[in-house]
Amino acid sequence: LAKTTQPISMDSYEGQEVNITCSHNNIATNDYITWYQQFPSQGPRFIIQGYKTKVTNEVASLFIPADRKSSTLSLPRVSLSDTAVYYCLVGSGSARQLTFGSGTQLTVLP
Amino acid sequence: NAGVTQTPKFQVLKTGQSMTLQCAQDMNHNSMYWYRQDPGMGLRLIYYSASEGTTDKGEVPNGYNVSRLNKREFSLRLESAAPSQTSVYFCASSGGLIGDEQFFGPGTRLTVL
Repeated sequence: LAKTTQPISMDSYEGQEVNITCSHNNIATNDYITWYQQFPSQGPRFIIQGYKTKVTNEVASLFIPADRKSSTLSLPRVSLSDTAVYYCLVGSGSARQLTFGSGTQLTVLP
Repeated sequence: NAGVTQTPKFQVLKTGQSMTLQCAQDMNHNSMYWYRQDPGMGLRLIYYSASEGTTDKGEVPNGYNVSRLNKREFSLRLESAAPSQTSVYFCASSGGLIGDEQFFGPGTRLTVL
């Protein structure tokens, strides 16, 4: 089971870049890394997914080093509305090995 | 296009009672999932279904049964509810293989007394 570890919480100010790291030491060869955002009383929402190196979309970037034992979600120029819990998810082929991290509470301050 | 819908939104049960949580998606997705989320914790997978008629256990399947009777619907049943099953339950779906981008429903908040 690819257990994941994330910081419990982070604070940032509006307009700053935020980097949230997830450790997944036992990641399997076929596993993808996916990040989700969750607001209170809502289901998680997909942000970005990657396998290796760097992936970028309109809202975030995902950096994955060559050994794939960690990944970093980068949110450019955060705003107050980015205050949420961010989860990394590692897994691919097996239901028993699909593992969400415990989440990082990001608080964006004015 | 409603996405993923779940019923009910809230439910209170007494220990030993049974109930079924309903989930439906209108995105023509093959994969569907049931998760539970306990306070201050991440989501844990209960069951997964890759297609109609197939299911696979996740990390925490004990005390639950599931049914995937057609492509749209995936139900979760608690045969004899226990206080340890008090949680928020999320259903999700994805178009392809397990681990692809998942679309989540709004959740069902279940309390077992």
